[in-house]
Amino acid sequence: DAKTTQPPSMDCAEGRAANLPCNHSTISGNEYVYWYRQIHSQGPQYIIHGLKNNETNEMASLIITEDRKSSTLILPHATLRDTAVYYCIVRNSDNYGQNFVFGPGTRLSVLP
Amino acid sequence: NAGVTQTPKFQVLKTGQSMTLQCAQDMNHNSMYWYRQDPGMGLRLIYYSASEGTTDKGEVPNGYNVSRLNKREFSLRLESAAPSQTSVYFCACRHTGGRTDTQYFGPGTRLTVL
Repeated sequence: DAKTTQPPSMDCAEGRAANLPCNHSTISGNEYVYWYRQIHSQGPQYIIHGLKNNETNEMASLIITEDRKSSTLILPHATLRDTAVYYCIVRNSDNYGQNFVFGPGTRLSVLP
Repeated sequence: NAGVTQTPKFQVLKTGQSMTLQCAQDMNHNSMYWYRQDPGMGLRLIYYSASEGTTDKGEVPNGYNVSRLNKREFSLRLESAAPSQTSVYFCACRHTGGRTDTQYFGPGTRLTVL
C-alpha cells in the first residue's frame, strides 16, 4: 500500500487560500489520491479525488505533480468552518476495503 | 434523505457485555464499511461489505462480527466488549460510477467500555 505523509498541523488566515501538502512517493500507477476532512469528531466528509490530472470542484482544487509523488489540496478562500482535520489517502479505486487507510491527517486551523 | 444513520449515538458497556451497533443508508449504494477512530488518530477499517450478502475483514477485525442484513443495513457486533474497544465507530457507504468515488459517513457511535 502507498503511504502518505502530511504535516500534523497548519494555520491559515480567514479569506486566504489554504494549501495542504501530501507526499505519496510510493504511489503506483493505478492508485488515486483522495482527500477527506473531519470537522470536530463528525463523520469524515469527501472533498475531491484525482489520478494524475488536476481537479477542481465546488469545494477545492487538487494539484498533483507530474511524477505523482506529491499533491496539494487548495481551499481557495478559507473560512472558519473549514477548520478540520484533512486526510490525504492513496488507494486503488477498484479495491473496496483494505487499502482505504486514514492516517493522522493535517489539522487545519483557520484564524479570524 | 437521511443519508447514513447510526444508532445508538452513545453507549457505555461493562467489560464482557455484548452489543450491536446499527447502521442504515438510504442512498442505495452497494458497499458499506465500519471504521473505528481512537482519540487523536485516523480511522481504521474493521469490516466492509462490497455488496449485499458479502463481508470481508479490514485492518482490525478481531473482537467484532458484522452482518449485512440487506442492501440498506450493516450491523457491527461486539460479542464480549473489552476496554480496548473504547472508541468512536463510524459507518459509511460508498458510491462509485464514472469518475465518482465517494464514501459517505454516518455521525458515529461513541462507545465506552469500562
